[in-house]
Amino acid sequence: QVQLKESGPGLVQPSQTLSLTCTVSGLSLTSNSVSWIRQPPGKGLEWMGVIWSNGGTDYNSAIKSRLSISRDTSKSQVFLKMNSLQTEDTAMYFCARRGAPFDYWGQGVMVTVSS
Amino acid sequence: DIVLTQSPALAVSLGQRATISCRASQSVSISRYNLMHWYQQKPGQQPKLLIYRASNLASGIPARFSGSGSGTDFTLTINPVQADDIATYYCQQSRESPDTFGAGTKLELK
Repeated sequence: QVQLKESGPGLVQPSQTLSLTCTVSGLSLTSNSVSWIRQPPGKGLEWMGVIWSNGGTDYNSAIKSRLSISRDTSKSQVFLKMNSLQTEDTAMYFCARRGAPFDYWGQGVMVTVSS
Repeated sequence: DIVLTQSPALAVSLGQRATISCRASQSVSISRYNLMHWYQQKPGQQPKLLIYRASNLASGIPARFSGSGSGTDFTLTINPVQADDIATYYCQQSRESPDTFGAGTKLELK
């Protein structure tokens, strides 16, 4: 069955770079697209970006200058890198299959930005 | 970007009907496809897909959930509401990049 699982550090210092990994199983990244979506505590969902099945990417314009999404198809992994982190970036970070809709989600990883 | 507007909260009694609305700032329909989707999220969990393309029930979702609408106005209906349905509900459009979500409607017990 299809599964996605996020991993990464729970705590990041302000101004540092966040690196997260989404490991997928049950689907191929060469024929499926994966998005990153985040949710600050007590708030709503924010789409961050997508890596399409062809390897192309699109990003939320509000964070585009800080964000990079890439993948390793041989390892079935999708990566998120976001620099210059601030306290406002504290959130639960989810990866999800972008089948329009988002039909499979990971459990999420909580990232706290604090010194 | 397409902005999706939802009411923040809705209070309902168990066994009654709940109607949650979502209005888009521009049409999210292409020909016969209505590219609006609905999710349920409970505290501490990831969102779960309930309805895709406005009216299609996702796999494993009970038939008491239904969706309708086209263009800019969409509705998620839960009938009858059960205790397990107390959660926050989000609409999301995939008509135009970027994908956007509504702010969510928190379903509460009256």
